[in-house]
Amino acid sequence: EVQLVESGGGLVKPGGSLRLSCAASGFTFSSYSMNWVRQAPGKGLEWVSSISSSSSYIYYADSVKGRFTISRDNAKNSLYLQMNSLRAEDTAVYYCARDFAAAHAFDYWGQGTLVTVSS
Amino acid sequence: EIVMTQSPATLSVSPGERATLSCRASQSVSSNLAWYQQKPGQAPRLLIYGASTRATGIPARFSGSGSGTEFTLTISSLQSEDFAVYYCQQYNNWPFMYTFGQGTKLEIK
Repeated sequence: EVQLVESGGGLVKPGGSLRLSCAASGFTFSSYSMNWVRQAPGKGLEWVSSISSSSSYIYYADSVKGRFTISRDNAKNSLYLQMNSLRAEDTAVYYCARDFAAAHAFDYWGQGTLVTVSS
Repeated sequence: EIVMTQSPATLSVSPGERATLSCRASQSVSSNLAWYQQKPGQAPRLLIYGASTRATGIPARFSGSGSGTEFTLTISSLQSEDFAVYYCQQYNNWPFMYTFGQGTKLEIK
């Protein structure tokens, strides 16, 4: 069974940093691109970042470029999101999601971890 | 940047009836269009990819159609568990980007 479990969320002050993790199981993690998608309270979904299976290709939404860094450790079946210079508008539930190969869609999602940026 | 616009924002339909949700792209996305269902407190669930292919385990009452800029998600006979928020999502390869629509809330009439 495919499982994605996020952790690392919490309350942080504006300008602060946080590192999210996503532990994957039930599939060959090193064969899939992975993504972070966020959802502000009561709002819609926003793609944040993608990383290819071997970390060769990395992409970011303009809203987080230069502040967030996606990475992965295939030996540990883990995905990460380092978030720096956090702003109030970064407050959201952050989901990790598996990339469904050539379908360009997200077929499995974690349960999400809440990041709150507030003084 | 490609903008995805969903309509209506809220759709009220009775159980057993058909629901038709629309998604429009600001420029052609070919068939790179997916649909998701999200219930309160849950992660989104993939329903449709490639504009018209049902994901694994998705009931046949869900169908997707369209290409280019106009897409439709149809739920043929609404069940109680289908009342949720639905999002469309497109993929663009240059610049690399995924974009979601703002969502359609499907509520019980």
